[in-house]
Amino acid sequence: EDKVVQSPLSLVVHEGDTVTLNCSYEVTNFRSLLWYKQEKKAPTFLFMLTSSGIEKKSGRLSSILDKKELSSILNITATQTGDSAIYLCAVDSGGGADGLTFGKGTHLIIQP
Amino acid sequence: KAGVTQTPRYLIKTRGQQVTLSCSPISGHRSVSWYQQTPGQGLQFLFEYFSETQRNKGNFPGRFSGRQFSNSRSEMNVSTLELGDSALYLCASSLYPRTSGVNEQFFGPGTRLTVL
Repeated sequence: EDKVVQSPLSLVVHEGDTVTLNCSYEVTNFRSLLWYKQEKKAPTFLFMLTSSGIEKKSGRLSSILDKKELSSILNITATQTGDSAIYLCAVDSGGGADGLTFGKGTHLIIQP
Repeated sequence: KAGVTQTPRYLIKTRGQQVTLSCSPISGHRSVSWYQQTPGQGLQFLFEYFSETQRNKGNFPGRFSGRQFSNSRSEMNVSTLELGDSALYLCASSLYPRTSGVNEQFFGPGTRLTVL
């Protein structure tokens, strides 16, 4: 059974800090790893990482895939209160019965 | 381009009843997946539809079913509701089925189902 574990489960930091969120996975047929941001509504797509695209960056957010360690990190620099959300990591194992396998998420709170 | 839409946004039912949820994917997207999100279990895959055919199914009882129409809109049905079915039901659309290659999924706002 595919498995995705995120850490920490929750994190409270001050505005301006840099945070690193972790995601590790065990899947039978890795195809891609996706990061989503979820506020009070639908998860919003952030990044997709694959074996051919192991590093992505967008503004203050960046993510790296470590194929050897079967893990990924999501970095947020110069955090703002609007970054407060649940960050979800999901792994696509390419059409197996599990669909996208999600971790439980990291609840990030940015204090002013 | 309009995003994924789901109706209704909120629903309250009682045990034993059945419910139908609707999802309209992004225009041009032909694959629709359904997920259940609960505080304890997180997001769990229910099923995926492409071209009116169920492609994959998660580990849920037969009370959970779905279908897709020729315009790619999808519905999911839950019969004989149980208290544990209370959850946020999310629909995600993508251009192609997941088996065709690497592609992104875009989520709708969800339907919050409460079973009393």
